[in-house]
Amino acid sequence: AQKVTQAQTEISVVEKEDVTLDCVYETRDTTYYLFWYKQPPSGELVFLIRRNSFDEQNEISGRYSWNFQKSTSSFNFTITASQVVDSAVYFCALSGRASGGSYIPTFGRGTSLIVHP
Amino acid sequence: DTGVSQNPRHKITKRGQNVTFRCDPISEHNRLYWYRQTLGQGPEFLTYFQNEAQLEKSRLLSDRFSAERPKGSFSTLEIQRTEQGDSAMYLCASSLELALYEQYFGPGTRLTVT
Repeated sequence: AQKVTQAQTEISVVEKEDVTLDCVYETRDTTYYLFWYKQPPSGELVFLIRRNSFDEQNEISGRYSWNFQKSTSSFNFTITASQVVDSAVYFCALSGRASGGSYIPTFGRGTSLIVHP
Repeated sequence: DTGVSQNPRHKITKRGQNVTFRCDPISEHNRLYWYRQTLGQGPEFLTYFQNEAQLEKSRLLSDRFSAERPKGSFSTLEIQRTEQGDSAMYLCASSLELALYEQYFGPGTRLTVT
């Protein structure tokens, strides 16, 4: 069984603050994939990043950065100098092998980020 | 627009009625997924297709739910004898074949069962 925990239900920050969204996962698979998606108020989920279980190298993309640590089963997401347009619900997801042998994604409950001007 | 499209965007139905939703994936994507999302939750996997073959179904998918992808292109999700608990956003996503590829989501169909 696989599980994704996003303990932060809602985070509220003021524009230009840095913010980190936590994601902790559980899986017995040795090969798996981790994702972050953004769901803005308009509703459509947007892919942000993918990381496979063999690649622990952190990644930076503009104001976004991701920290993957297998030792703590965490895949945290940091937004630097947040902007109002970053306001959205962010989902962490884990794609591991299901009972039928296919890779099926499990999503966390999401963290709602509110950035105030 | 070459993204994932879903129709209708909203559906209001009375309990006991049947409803059908359609999803058109990105044309070169051979995997198609259906999810259900309720307020305050992440998407919950329902089923997925690789081309026309339905390869995995969640235990959430009761026998009132059926999905098809007859020619490996668009897909339909039918709910028979709807119940109030079926009220949710139904999301469709598509991807290339390998698990390491990200999924592209459609805007969803919001179902309200009265």
